[in-house]
Order: sequence, then C-alpha cells, then structure tokens
Amino acid sequence: GESVGLHLPTLSVQEGDNSIINCAYSNSASDYFIWYKQESGKGPQFIIDIRSNMDKRQGQRVTVLLNKTVKHLSLQIAATQPGDSAVYFCAETRPTGGFKTIFGAGTRLFVKA
Amino acid sequence: GAGVSQSPRYKVAKRGQDVALRCDPISGHVSLFWYQQALGQGPEFLTYFQNEAQLDKSGLPSDRFFAERPEGSVSTLKIQRTQQEDSAVYLCASSLTTEEAFFGQGTRLTVV
Repeated sequence: GESVGLHLPTLSVQEGDNSIINCAYSNSASDYFIWYKQESGKGPQFIIDIRSNMDKRQGQRVTVLLNKTVKHLSLQIAATQPGDSAVYFCAETRPTGGFKTIFGAGTRLFVKA
Repeated sequence: GAGVSQSPRYKVAKRGQDVALRCDPISGHVSLFWYQQALGQGPEFLTYFQNEAQLDKSGLPSDRFFAERPEGSVSTLKIQRTQQEDSAVYLCASSLTTEEAFFGQGTRLTVV
C-alpha cells in the first residue's frame, strides 16, 4: 500500500548536537516531499521541501536529503536548540493524486539542555 | 490577520449533536485543505478546495462530514450526528498553490 512513515517515534538529543530524523516512503511515483514541525497545541509549520529531481536541499540549520533508490528521506538539524523540541512529520504531496498531502505518524524530538 | 484562523479553538459536543467548524484562510490563498488529526497521529487529509470548487473530498470518512467554501474564502466543515470517534483536532490549511501550506492552530473537538 501507499504510506509515508517514520523509523523512530522518539529522538532525544543533547543541546548543540546535530539531529537526524528519518522517513521512508513507499510510492516511487512521489515527486514532492515536505518536512513539517508541530509544537504542542499548534498546527504543523513548514520547514523545508524537496522535489524528486533533487537529492539535497539546505535551509537555515536544516538540510533535507532524498534517496530515491531506497525511497528514504531525512531531515538534519544542525546545532539543535531547545526550541527545536517538537514533533516532526515528513509528508508527501502528489498533485496528480488530487493535491492531497499524506503525512507520516511523526517523530517527537526532545532536546536536553 | 496574517495567518490561518480557526474557530472555535475547542468544542465539546454531545454524541448526536451537529457541529460546524470555521476556517478563515490567508487572504488571497486559492487552495484550502481540511485535515483530521487524532491524538499521537499525523494529520489525515479530508478535503481540498480550489477557490470555491471542492476538487477532492476523498478523505471525508462518511456522509456525516460535509465541507463548503461558497465564496472561495471562508470554509466550514460540518459534522452531523457526531460520534465519539469523531473526537480529534481538525486542521485547516491554505496556500497560494498546492505546495507550501500554512496551517491554522486547529479546532479540538471532543464528543462526549
């Protein structure tokens, strides 16, 4: 079946360390991926996106890597800060599939001071 | 306001009651989405509008769920005869295209 899922439900890192959150997808036709951050009581917030014709994209302190061979996506956060503590979702949008965005279950990131 | 606004923030409904959830998207945003998020889960797609046209409603779980956006701006998600399994956070998002979407804070619905 089609799914976007995450390898680990919880990740705990020390403040200042780098964080890596992983995600697997099953539909090889997927062409657009997004990482969202969701803090408690708030809606998801866009972090970074990547298209399937790219394998890496960098933002401010964040990098997304896409490996189409193994259908794997990762989010790297440099110098993790307490404010990065949240649930992170990878999501897949397929315009040809009716413009719906399919979210994974999420990884909760804890940052220890 | 500058962001997507949803109201009410919290709603408690008795089983069998009808509810209406409102979404005010960012001004000028063509695309509008509704999602349902159960506790500890990722958001699940419900429906999508482009202006006033509902182009995809494949995620609506039953015919008790109905969404509208009559003038291409404000949208309402209506749930008839609410059931306990409808308890969730309902998220609305809007975007200029179908890519980067801006989410509201959601409406937490509790059916008792």
